[in-house]
Amino acid sequence: KAGVTQTPRYLIKTRGQQVTLSCSPISGHRSVSWYQQTPGQGLQFLFEYFSETQRNKGNFPGRFSGRQFSNSRSEMNVSTLELGDSALYLCASSLSSTDNYGYTFGSGTRLTVV
Amino acid sequence: QKEVEQNSGPLSVPEGAIASLNCTYSDRGSQSFFWYRQYSGKSPELIMSIYSNGDKEDGRFTAQLNKASQYVSLLIRDSQPSDSATYLCAVKGRGFQKLVFGTGTRLLVSP
Repeated sequence: KAGVTQTPRYLIKTRGQQVTLSCSPISGHRSVSWYQQTPGQGLQFLFEYFSETQRNKGNFPGRFSGRQFSNSRSEMNVSTLELGDSALYLCASSLSSTDNYGYTFGSGTRLTVV
Repeated sequence: QKEVEQNSGPLSVPEGAIASLNCTYSDRGSQSFFWYRQYSGKSPELIMSIYSNGDKEDGRFTAQLNKASQYVSLLIRDSQPSDSATYLCAVKGRGFQKLVFGTGTRLLVSP
């Protein structure tokens, strides 16, 4: 059974550019969450999608957006990149957004903004 | 007050000892509790989940939950050097509440 697949694994972008990250969940999983991980802040919740609808959103500026497709694959977009956006972006999938289901993480996309 | 709090460590234990990792949370309505292990340079890996008060054992791992005290812990018996990693506590409320992570406790197991 394939795990959560994130592409690309590494990205280097210039300040002001935009970037799109992709996440394919485990087959049958309908919930996809996105997290930003930095050494100082730990895992910060960005947003969660279930059945193509955003169910929850973290405290990030509007430059961070996402969407989910009918096949449960999700994309995350960051516009007007800033140096502080350099981080590991992790996607996690779950059977459902509700209570008793664990989340499985992908390997992440390492974004470096220069 | 942080939603999920963990001591950052490092927690150092000798090989074969019991490692005890602790976590407190602020939302009394929290329903689901998870422990993740993250090796350096890798993504978090789910190792335990617990939903009701008491203990849950899986191999060398035991998760303990006390909702009245808003406290969840992870015990690792017979600790091995391969257990050296950062352990993340995660808490989820009812329904479509987000999964919130603590900042993690770094565990070092010395041979």
